Amino acid sequence: GEDVEQSLFLSVREGDSSVINCTYTDSSSTYLYWYKQEPGAGLQLLTYIFSNMDMKQDQRLTVLLNKKDKHLSLRIADTQTGDSAIYFCAETIISGGSYIPTFGRGTSLIVHP
Amino acid sequence: GAGVSQSPSNKVTEKGKDVELRCDPISGHTALYWYRQRLGQGLEFLIYFQGNSAPDKSGLPSDRFSAERTGESVSTLTIQRTQQEDSAVYLCASSFGRANYGYTFGSGTRLTVV
Repeated sequence: GEDVEQSLFLSVREGDSSVINCTYTDSSSTYLYWYKQEPGAGLQLLTYIFSNMDMKQDQRLTVLLNKKDKHLSLRIADTQTGDSAIYFCAETIISGGSYIPTFGRGTSLIVHP
Repeated sequence: GAGVSQSPSNKVTEKGKDVELRCDPISGHTALYWYRQRLGQGLEFLIYFQGNSAPDKSGLPSDRFSAERTGESVSTLTIQRTQQEDSAVYLCASSFGRANYGYTFGSGTRLTVV
């Protein structure tokens, strides 16, 4: 397909781990990103990974990349209520020398006590 | 400035009127992007600037939409003869060069066409 795909909703209990999944489209994608959007706000860059990497860890966040399956995941350890937001996966497709990021529809993460 | 600034934050306009949305990128950021986010949807790419040039306008949905950038700084997105389907949040992002390390987004302009 031509879209970056994500599941639309994820509900977890506070303190549990959250795993948000994404499939991307272009094998030539070089950069892959996770963004967080809180209500009424713009997108905040959480983390990024280059396609020559398999994993990246940053505090409570772990990004895993499976290039063969074009699958990207974001794991949030010890999920807190403040993590409730929409999480967007994005890829940068190298086309004609421009780097245009393409975003998924976002996964709404709901954290309940 | 410290971040990407967009104005106005909210705009309500009557169908058929023209609107201008403004984006002030981070100083020194050479690339600037406009996206549209409809309620419950992902981000729809509209246009990209490198400096003051727009090498990719492929996302503009119709000829009612236009954008310009001056001084490698401020950008204006203009929507002429607005329609109800133009109602959305319009997001601007900027980056330094090829954005290897990500893009910085503004808080968006929420446009409502009534």
